[in-house]
Amino acid sequence: SSEVTQPPSVSVSLGQTASISCSGDKLGDKYVCWYQQKPGQSPLLVIYQDRKRPSGIPERFSGSNSGNTATLTISGTQAMDEADYYCQAWDSGSVVFGGGTKLTVL
Amino acid sequence: QLQLQESGPGLVKPSETLSLTCTVSGGSISGTGYYWGWIRQPPGMRLEWIGSIYYDGSTYYSLSLKSRVTISLDTSKKYFSLKLRSVTAADTAVYYCARGPDAFDIWGRGTVVTVSS
Repeated sequence: SSEVTQPPSVSVSLGQTASISCSGDKLGDKYVCWYQQKPGQSPLLVIYQDRKRPSGIPERFSGSNSGNTATLTISGTQAMDEADYYCQAWDSGSVVFGGGTKLTVL
Repeated sequence: QLQLQESGPGLVKPSETLSLTCTVSGGSISGTGYYWGWIRQPPGMRLEWIGSIYYDGSTYYSLSLKSRVTISLDTSKKYFSLKLRSVTAADTAVYYCARGPDAFDIWGRGTVVTVSS
């Protein structure tokens, strides 16, 4: 898989909508998922197959993927959402992670 | 519920081989459709995929590590393993095992491996 790029940081005010992008060549042709990672913890899957939420993940987390960009959207962002977020692309068994985005909730 | 647990030495000398095991409990390791993967994270850095193995033994490796990595699966003993040869300080990281397929939905807690003489 080719590289995927994320912004290093995103800030959002409490209760507002946060959007984190993930860019890569023909990313829309691949499955993209998103992980949340808090300090000292293992990553937690929050979106898989572009837009599906695992059981137990709040509805405020949503995803999209088209063209060269995938986006993770967090609606009504809460203080507990402050974390690092990683996108990951999968293509025929090969995996690549984005560089991660630190989400700060103001 | 399925759980994964990494185990292995926390300290490895440069040029030697890093060997880790991931034990799977609470579920099957041989079910179709699942990949079992290794991911690492150097201190303060991004996640890096090392490789994955399918239940039938098919393996997929990161191009940057392919020449040094072997992942194997023991379905009878319910574990899969990672071997990383000729390690250097750059291989110091938290090593995670996780379950696929296209997204890793279950992760181990991770194990810290330091490469130092």
